[in-house]
Amino acid sequence: RKEVEQDPGPFNVPEGATVAFNCTYSNSASQSFFWYRQDCRKEPKLLMSVYSSGNEDGRFTAQLNRASQYISLLIRDSKLSDSATYLCVAVNTGFQKLVFGTGTRLLVSP
Amino acid sequence: GAGVSQSPRYKVAKRGQDVALRCDPISGHVSLFWYQQALGQGPEFLTYFQNEAQLDKSGLPSDRFFAERPEGSVSTLKIQRTQQEDSAVYLCASSLGGGSGETQYFGPGTRLLVL
Repeated sequence: RKEVEQDPGPFNVPEGATVAFNCTYSNSASQSFFWYRQDCRKEPKLLMSVYSSGNEDGRFTAQLNRASQYISLLIRDSKLSDSATYLCVAVNTGFQKLVFGTGTRLLVSP
Repeated sequence: GAGVSQSPRYKVAKRGQDVALRCDPISGHVSLFWYQQALGQGPEFLTYFQNEAQLDKSGLPSDRFFAERPEGSVSTLKIQRTQQEDSAVYLCASSLGGGSGETQYFGPGTRLLVL
């Protein structure tokens, strides 16, 4: 079983839709969490950090539930340019390496 | 400013050949990471340097994989006697300090195909 698990998708949504991705992690020592975005044949780029209190950046909202070891990403008013793979990432206490999920692929269509 | 650069961008090797992949981190970044990304998967950690010290090499899949960062800047990942299962994208990332959870900036990757 992978340490960080995601539904690989793809999620096919029309422009303007709201879409949510979920991610679970199995290591209780995980302390920091992120969502990265990866476009086809490109490198991953940091989208946003995830905090227990929840955080919002424009159309994107991320949430962490430590009790359930669950992370979410909500995208409102989807744009064509949101089409990408969204990678859920954990960092364990005392370590620097990123632990990635498989990624969830999003396709936004006109 | 310049980001992380990697070379070559593409490499085709015959099985059994040795390859060397180069990473130029962002200037002044203390930490440097190598990840391997197989098709359809998320990146998997290989190794981590803080300056010239290799502090974590737990992700290297076999003793055919070797990484170095002799002057604390440029890093090279070497794969000896390449196998078909080594075909993947090799990503390098750097971060400013050595703290846990710092933002890592990725290079464009080297796409390795072993025939």
